[in-house]
Amino acid sequence: EAEVAQSPRYKITEKSQAVAFWCDPISGHATLYWYRQILGQGPELLVQFQDESVVDDSQLPKDRFSAERLKGVDSTLKIQPAELGDSAMYLCASSHSSGGTNTGELFFGEGSRLTVL
Amino acid sequence: GDSVTQMEGPVTLSEEAFLTINCTYTATGYPSLFWYVQYPGEGLQLLLKATKADDKGSNKGFEATYRKETTSFHLEKGSVQVSDSAVYFCALSNDYKLSFGAGTTVTVRA
Repeated sequence: EAEVAQSPRYKITEKSQAVAFWCDPISGHATLYWYRQILGQGPELLVQFQDESVVDDSQLPKDRFSAERLKGVDSTLKIQPAELGDSAMYLCASSHSSGGTNTGELFFGEGSRLTVL
Repeated sequence: GDSVTQMEGPVTLSEEAFLTINCTYTATGYPSLFWYVQYPGEGLQLLLKATKADDKGSNKGFEATYRKETTSFHLEKGSVQVSDSAVYFCALSNDYKLSFGAGTTVTVRA
């Protein structure tokens, strides 16, 4: 069964360091999402791609976070510099969206847990 | 903006007990509604969904009905098992943007 792949599973870093997460969505899924899930809360959308284009990054802290999906397939989320408050689970998801169809079914990876010391 | 409010946990039940997790939403237009589940050590996965008013989603013995008049999508299961222990998230989708509730942790004791 096709899955969304994420790496690394766990990352411990010191504040002010740079960190990067990678995601490979299910083959053929045009829409890719990065969510942040703080312990005890629901996931919050950071950025949404349609193919290689960003369609929503309104909640992405752009002073320190960046995301790219250069070829419309895999994606990287970067944080520089990391802060203590960035400690969270970073989830990648993908969906097979088609124009006008609001199915909303997302397929999630297992996540990358970041701890900032 | 769109939002989801779900029952706070944690919820602890005995096996074969009845489970209800309340979920209400605020949204413009006609969102789709979902329940996602996160088992220990695993990623989020879709449990069930409903795309229009009065639809009932069901899976693995869980059910939820899309009630537009009360803006609710409560999750129910008649007889829970230990394997149902997980975090349950109510979510709504508008224009491919999925908004989640805070999650409800359910623990089922043998």
